Amino acid sequence: KAGVTQTPRYLIKTRGQQVTLSCSPISGHRSVSWYQQTPGQGLQFLFEYFSETQRNKGNFPGRFSGRQFSNSRSEMNVSTLELGDSALYLCASRIGPDNEQFFGPGTRLTVL
Amino acid sequence: QQQVKQSPQSLIVQKGGISIINCAYENTAFDYFPWYQQFPGKGPALLIAIRPDVSEKKEGRFTISFNKSAKQFSLHIMDSQPGDSATYFCAAESARQLTFGSGTQLTVLP
Repeated sequence: KAGVTQTPRYLIKTRGQQVTLSCSPISGHRSVSWYQQTPGQGLQFLFEYFSETQRNKGNFPGRFSGRQFSNSRSEMNVSTLELGDSALYLCASRIGPDNEQFFGPGTRLTVL
Repeated sequence: QQQVKQSPQSLIVQKGGISIINCAYENTAFDYFPWYQQFPGKGPALLIAIRPDVSEKKEGRFTISFNKSAKQFSLHIMDSQPGDSATYFCAAESARQLTFGSGTQLTVLP
């Protein structure tokens, strides 16, 4: 069974731009969560989607948004990029809200 | 309230030794406590997890010890191997949201 896939794996943007990251969950998994990982703040929860609805949201500004499609694939968007948005963005999927999460390899975003 | 405190920040052990990583939490609403292993360039991978109604769980060389009254839990890696060298994160979940510890960089010397 294929794991969680994230595209692109690496991305370089400049301040003020916007970016969209994509996540394809494991087949059959309907819940997708997004996390930001930085050396300073560690792993922080961004939001969770289940059945195309945002079910939970972490403490991030409104510049961070996401959505989930009917096939459970998810996208995350960051608008008006700041230097501090440079991070590894991880996507995790699970069958349902009470099951274990499986992480993808992440998208490394660098903001110059 | 949502914090999970993890220690030590880094750990060096000899091959065959025991690695112990500790975590503490405050929020009694946490109801699921997983440990993740992360290698450079990879996403975290679930290693072992426990729920608060159990005091210990063992899977191969990995054991979680859970102390509900002290609000602490720990990971023990027996017979540590160089291939175990990675960063380990404890986490705690409440309302489907994972809160992670700061991570422990484990190095197992050959």
